[in-house]
Amino acid sequence: GQQLNQSPQSMFIQEGEDVSMNCTSSSIFNTWLWYKQDPGEGPVLLIALYKAGELTSNGRLTAQFGITRKDSFLNISASIPSDVGIYFCAGIAGNQFYFGTGTSLTVIP
Amino acid sequence: DTAVSQTPKYLVTQMGNDKSIKCEQNLGHDTMYWYKQDSKKFLKIMFSYNNKELIINETVPNRFSPKSPDKAHLNLHINSLELGDSAVYFCASSQRDRKNIQYFGAGTRLSVL
Repeated sequence: GQQLNQSPQSMFIQEGEDVSMNCTSSSIFNTWLWYKQDPGEGPVLLIALYKAGELTSNGRLTAQFGITRKDSFLNISASIPSDVGIYFCAGIAGNQFYFGTGTSLTVIP
Repeated sequence: DTAVSQTPKYLVTQMGNDKSIKCEQNLGHDTMYWYKQDSKKFLKIMFSYNNKELIINETVPNRFSPKSPDKAHLNLHINSLELGDSAVYFCASSQRDRKNIQYFGAGTRLSVL
């Protein structure tokens, strides 16, 4: 099945820095999602986006649904050690659900 | 009041054995899924069940068989386990008329020795 491309694949940042990651696809999606997977746990939904151009925040996290509907972006401001984990994007088109390849985030105290 | 629960969390077994992983969701969702997460952390869908009907089977070996006694449960049976089956398996559920967003269990780490 299709897999969405996420970049970067991994990030090592200092505590307090801002983080940006993105997700791209060759197909159009109606919904974009961002999940976080803590070590040893399952993915947990962070943000859901339903309209092209939509910008949605959840605390220090902000995500955007790209205008072309083929991409999405996630920003984390003022990172803290508990932000460590793997961030996955996901796109939904009808009944089809596709995951991104993941971005592994390490925050250095 | 865990929404999607999987058991066991860890499973260590010998090659050739048969094992099962159970999944239950209390969200009232109509569709359930099984994913395999490999060492590179890619999430690959294996199966989904909607109203007791298999609607996805992504080139998974027939040693793997999902069994859904009711729409709140989707168990994964694995026969003749192989070394390459070692991975983390995630159960998820969604509701088609609620944007089809998937909610995940905590995962089952399977180690085949």
